[in-house]
Amino acid sequence: EPEVTQTPSHQVTQMGQEVILRCVPISNHLYFYWYRQILGQKVEFLVSFYNNEISEKSEIFDDQFSVERPDGSNFTLKIRSTKLEDSAMYFCASSISGRNEKLFFGSGTQLSVL
Amino acid sequence: GENVEQHPSTLSVQEGDSAVIKCTYSDSASNYFPWYKQELGKGPQLIIDIRSNVGEKKDQRIAVTLNKTAKHFSLHITETQPEDSAVYFCAATQGENSGGYQKVTFGTGTKLQVIP
Repeated sequence: EPEVTQTPSHQVTQMGQEVILRCVPISNHLYFYWYRQILGQKVEFLVSFYNNEISEKSEIFDDQFSVERPDGSNFTLKIRSTKLEDSAMYFCASSISGRNEKLFFGSGTQLSVL
Repeated sequence: GENVEQHPSTLSVQEGDSAVIKCTYSDSASNYFPWYKQELGKGPQLIIDIRSNVGEKKDQRIAVTLNKTAKHFSLHITETQPEDSAVYFCAATQGENSGGYQKVTFGTGTKLQVIP
């Protein structure tokens, strides 16, 4: 079965530094998402992306966050100036279509902000 | 916005017994309810889903039920096996008002342990 791949699997950074998390969605998928999961808590929606623009974002996704699809395959999440509370597992997901279709999740990037 | 509650937070069952996880949701416009299984170190994986025009769906040992009136939905796993041990999340989409962009609201998760 096709997979969403994420790199790196672990990222350690100092508070205030910029990080970029990378994802390669499934090739024929058109909708892309970032979710995060703080240790022991629920998975939370961050942002959805379609047709090269953000279609929806949560209150978590403030000005410190940005997403980009720099080429035909990668989908990135950038955190401009990391805070301690940004420490979490970040999941990328994709789907063929937007409405009520199966989301495929990657294995996640564990971000630790020190 | 949507709020999804999930119970229990942990569940231990003997191998071969059944496991039931229950969820409630708040947004009556939600119309799609997926269930995800998350194994250690992995991302959530869809195991079954149900749409609001259906009351029950079954796939081998897994079944889901939906009560739209009460805003309840449940996951039933029969004849549990050790490999069923994982964290299970229920979820709901925002429905028509979301613009269709899959803003999935997850429950808090149930850690299922199947004891051999």
